[in-house]
Amino acid sequence: AQSVTQLGSHVSVSEGALVLLRCNYSSSVPPYLFWYVQYPNQGLQLLLKYTSAATLVKGINGFEAEFKKSETSFHLTKPSAHMSDAAEYFCAVTRNTGGFKTIFGAGTRLFVKA
Amino acid sequence: DAGVTQSPTHLIKTRGQQVTLRCSPKSGHDTVSWYQQALGQGPQFIFQYYEEEERQRGNFPDRFSGHQFPNYSSELNVNALLLGDSALYLCASSSLSLPSGRATGELFFGEGSRLTVL
Repeated sequence: AQSVTQLGSHVSVSEGALVLLRCNYSSSVPPYLFWYVQYPNQGLQLLLKYTSAATLVKGINGFEAEFKKSETSFHLTKPSAHMSDAAEYFCAVTRNTGGFKTIFGAGTRLFVKA
Repeated sequence: DAGVTQSPTHLIKTRGQQVTLRCSPKSGHDTVSWYQQALGQGPQFIFQYYEEEERQRGNFPDRFSGHQFPNYSSELNVNALLLGDSALYLCASSSLSLPSGRATGELFFGEGSRLTVL
């Protein structure tokens, strides 16, 4: 069975500071991993994805994530936070079993202070 | 290029009633997944439809049922509504009909239907 754990339901950073959102996954086979962002009253939007190519994945809006198999982690980072980054972030895992059943973490709400 | 569209955006029902939510996938997509997102939680997988059949299902009771039409659009039906069914219901589309190794399960989401059960 697959599962996703996001450490920290809330993270607060100052504008310009490093953003680090943590995600650990559990999967019996190599997974596909995703980070999605959700702004208030909206659906989810893909930030980036890992699909067994390069372990360091770059996404939109300056975000990137590194797949570390030994640590079963896929942490999301951004060197310098912007006020517009304030949102809910979800880590997700899936694998191809004749279809994709994507499992989401509980989410981490990012607050950015001026 | 139209993205994923859902209707209605908001609705209020009372306990015991039935509700139908609708979703049109992104152009070119053939697969629709439905998720329930309770307040402050991550999306929970309900089921996935491909080629008009339910292909995958999460841990939801039979009160939750769905359908996919030949044009790939989909409906989610919930019977005998409970207070706990109040949530944002998200539809996500993707494509399974890609050459082997290209499908990755990337999801494109609609803005959701917010259901309130009183």
